[in-house]
Amino acid sequence: DAGVIQSPRHEVTEMGQEVTLRCKPISGHDYLFWYRQTMMRGLELLIYFNNNVPIDDSGMPEDRFSAKMPNASFSTLKIQPSEPRDSAVYFCASTRDAEAFFGQGTRLTVV
Amino acid sequence: AQSVAQPEDQVNVAEGNPLTVKCTYSVSGNPYLFWYVQYPNRGLQFLLKYITGDNLVKGSYGFEAEFNKSQTSFHLKKPSALVSDSALYFCAVRDLGGSYIPTFGRGTSLIVHP
Repeated sequence: DAGVIQSPRHEVTEMGQEVTLRCKPISGHDYLFWYRQTMMRGLELLIYFNNNVPIDDSGMPEDRFSAKMPNASFSTLKIQPSEPRDSAVYFCASTRDAEAFFGQGTRLTVV
Repeated sequence: AQSVAQPEDQVNVAEGNPLTVKCTYSVSGNPYLFWYVQYPNRGLQFLLKYITGDNLVKGSYGFEAEFNKSQTSFHLKKPSALVSDSALYFCAVRDLGGSYIPTFGRGTSLIVHP
């Protein structure tokens, strides 16, 4: 298995633009997590899904953030409109039973 | 509620010396404990975990961790540090009888000096 795959690896966008981050979890994993990592706040859980259903989105910072999981092999995290304070590394992780497997992350820079 | 604390932002150690990265936790029930490592520009990688059994858990790259229930600690250790061990280390905990979601610590930056 190729592991959790995220795209793009880097994204630079202008303030106000829509940004879509993508994630392909490991096949067979029934939980999917979206995290955000910054120097100031460390690793923050934004939202997680179980069997494609969003379970807890209380970590989503604002209504500008939304996430979907239309099927077991794909999830998106969308920011619309983006702001400079959204600049961070966004990680997707999946798990079936025990330890979580993380993707390489998407480094988002909003200028 | 579950929480985890990594009291040190940074740990410095000379190559060849033993290293310890500290972690304490709090859960209502029995803990499920993890250590992850993050190298620059990479995602978190699983190192080791503890559920039950032997209090000393061995993991990847020569790392091990000791579960201490009375001190609610799960410190990460390695007998002889390598420069290549320099990275960010995260401790995580999950309450076996509670939330499926692990809580991560803020991370500890390990710097191994040649």
